[in-house]
Amino acid sequence: GDSVTQMEGPVTLSEEAFLTINCTYTATGYPSLFWYVQYPGEGLQLLLKATKADDKGSNKGFEATYRKETTSFHLEKGSVQVSDSAVYFCALRTQGGSEKLVFGKGTKLTVNP
Amino acid sequence: EAGVVQSPRYKIIEKKQPVAFWCNPISGHNTLYWYRQNLGQGPELLIRYENEEAVDDSQLPKDRFSAERLKGVDSTLKIQPAELGDSAVYLCASSFQGQGAGMAFFGQGTRLTVV
Repeated sequence: GDSVTQMEGPVTLSEEAFLTINCTYTATGYPSLFWYVQYPGEGLQLLLKATKADDKGSNKGFEATYRKETTSFHLEKGSVQVSDSAVYFCALRTQGGSEKLVFGKGTKLTVNP
Repeated sequence: EAGVVQSPRYKIIEKKQPVAFWCNPISGHNTLYWYRQNLGQGPELLIRYENEEAVDDSQLPKDRFSAERLKGVDSTLKIQPAELGDSAVYLCASSFQGQGAGMAFFGQGTRLTVV
């Protein structure tokens, strides 16, 4: 079945450091891909998405590019802030009759001042 | 605009007891999802509603779990009887019909602890 594999955490960075969180997927067809973020005490929020190969999703300084050849959707940010501390989930939207999101396990990011 | 509202936020019960979670989706959202998130894992879909119809409940453990969405608005998820392994965060999400699962808005979840 469809699955998402995410970089194991936790990840601890200093403010202004470069962030990469790796995400690869296994799916039939060409699923849409997403990054969700969960700030402490809050619900999951959509951070960015890409719906087809070579699409780049971006939001709040975060970027991820849909790479079909490597089945990857790595999350990057050039300069993280303390306020980016959260848990990040990579997800894909399944195709066909079963409409749902399949999530990775999540990566906890802590940014220190 | 209010987001997806879930209650209670936290619940602690003894095993074999029943428990229920309530979800009020965003106004106008036809599609409603219940996900379960185990500790250290990503959310997994339990059931999806389109209006009042459960269109995908293939992942719902029907021996002890049940859900309903009367009038196609609020939804309730019930577990009876609860087991230790049911300890998790139960998330509700909603979206406009046809927007797809990726455009759903999530509630804060109900954290269930079964002791």
